Amino acid sequence: DVVMTQSPLSLPVTLGQPASISCRSSQSLVYSDGNTYLYWFHQRPGQSPRRLIYKVSNRDSGVPDRFSGSGSGTDFTLRISRVEAEDVGVYYCMQNAHWPWTFGQGTKVEIK
Amino acid sequence: EVQLLESGGALVQPGGSLRLSCAASGFTFSSHAMSWVRQAPGKGLEWVSGFSDSGSSTYYADSVKGRFTISRDNSKNTLYLQMSSLRAEDTAVYYCAKGYCSSWGQGTLVTVSS
Repeated sequence: DVVMTQSPLSLPVTLGQPASISCRSSQSLVYSDGNTYLYWFHQRPGQSPRRLIYKVSNRDSGVPDRFSGSGSGTDFTLRISRVEAEDVGVYYCMQNAHWPWTFGQGTKVEIK
Repeated sequence: EVQLLESGGALVQPGGSLRLSCAASGFTFSSHAMSWVRQAPGKGLEWVSGFSDSGSSTYYADSVKGRFTISRDNSKNTLYLQMSSLRAEDTAVYYCAKGYCSSWGQGTLVTVSS
C-alpha cells in the first residue's frame, strides 16, 4: 500500500500569517493517464471532511483562494496564504493513484 | 445539491454483523465511483472500500478484506457496506463519499463492544 506521510502533525499558527503542510507518498502518484491523484481535505471538529484540493492544485468549488496546492511525483504541499479562524481543524492528504486509496495521518491546525 | 445519507450504525457484539446504507441524491449515482471511509474515535481517516469509476470493480483496505463487502443498487441510488466478523477496532464513524471523495455524508457510528 502507498504510505502517505504528513508533516508537521501539529501546526500552531497566528491569524493572518501563512501556513504550510507537507505530504509525501511512498510511491509516485502519477497515474498512467498522466494525472497526479493527490487530494487535500479539511475537517473541522464534529464535522464531516470537506475536499479542498483535487489533483494536486485544483481548488474545489467554494474553496477560498488563500488555499493552494502544489507538488509533483511524491512530494506535495498545501499552503494557506493568510490563516483565518475558520481554518482550524485537521488537514489530510489522500492518494487514489493506487488501490487501496490511502490518507495521511492528519495535521492539526490551531490558532496560537 | 449532492446529498449522502448514511444509516445502519449500531452497537454490535464482537463477531457480529451489520449492514450500512448510504442513500444518494442530487447526482447521477450510477456514473460515479463511491467509497466508504471510516474514522475511529479521536483518530484519522481510513479509506475502507470503494467502487472504481466504471462501477465494475471493488477494492478493500487490507484491514477489512474478507470481512466487509461493498455493493450498490443503482436503481435505488444506494451504496451498502456489509460488515461481518466485527472487531473492537472496527469501531468508528463510517462515511460514504462520492467519486474522488468530492462530497461526504454526515456519517453513521458503528460500535463493536460486548
